[in-house]
Amino acid sequence: GENVEQHPSTLSVQEGDSAVIKCTYSDSASNYFPWYKQELGKRPQLIIDIRSNVGEKKDQRIAVTLNKTAKHFSLHITETQPEDSAVYFCAASKHNNDMRFGAGTRLTEKP
Amino acid sequence: NAGVTQTPKFQVLKTGQSMTLQCAQDMNHNSMYWYRQDPGMGLRLIYYSASEGTTDKGEVPNGYNVSRLNKREFSLRLESAAPSQTSVYFCASSERRGTYEQYFGPGTRLTVT
Repeated sequence: GENVEQHPSTLSVQEGDSAVIKCTYSDSASNYFPWYKQELGKRPQLIIDIRSNVGEKKDQRIAVTLNKTAKHFSLHITETQPEDSAVYFCAASKHNNDMRFGAGTRLTEKP
Repeated sequence: NAGVTQTPKFQVLKTGQSMTLQCAQDMNHNSMYWYRQDPGMGLRLIYYSASEGTTDKGEVPNGYNVSRLNKREFSLRLESAAPSQTSVYFCASSERRGTYEQYFGPGTRLTVT
């Protein structure tokens, strides 16, 4: 089955800096790659997703890139703000299959 | 729309006790899921229901059973709770299985002593 690995497990950035989180997947047939944000004590919520027919997608300060050949995808957050502090999960799935999640990255702002 | 709702929010059980976690969605979604979330391990799928009337095992089904009562409701039962089942449990739903956004409930924090 699909295996998703996510790095780093923790990430500390200065306010205003950029943050990058990387994920790799094992099943070359996977074609949907969402990113979920989970604030402390809250439920995971989708922030951006990308499908395999697209190499990059952007939504304001958030962007996701996909390299199908290398089987990896990344989340980029620019100009980080305090409200970006959360745990971020990547995931991968294909049609009629289970979504597999990465282990998560805890993003915190340096004081 | 309430989205996905779960009850209870918190529960403490003794080893060997049983309980049922309830989940309901009002988005007319076909697929529903139960996950557990443990520190450093992300979200792991316990069981899913691709459509009303069907259920299947996910990645970590041992010790659990599920019922898809109707299109709206999907319950998770622990027949004989064990300390290893201490976790946060999330229910989720999506329009269909696979390449669709999943909407999560608020979670149930379960402690087994």
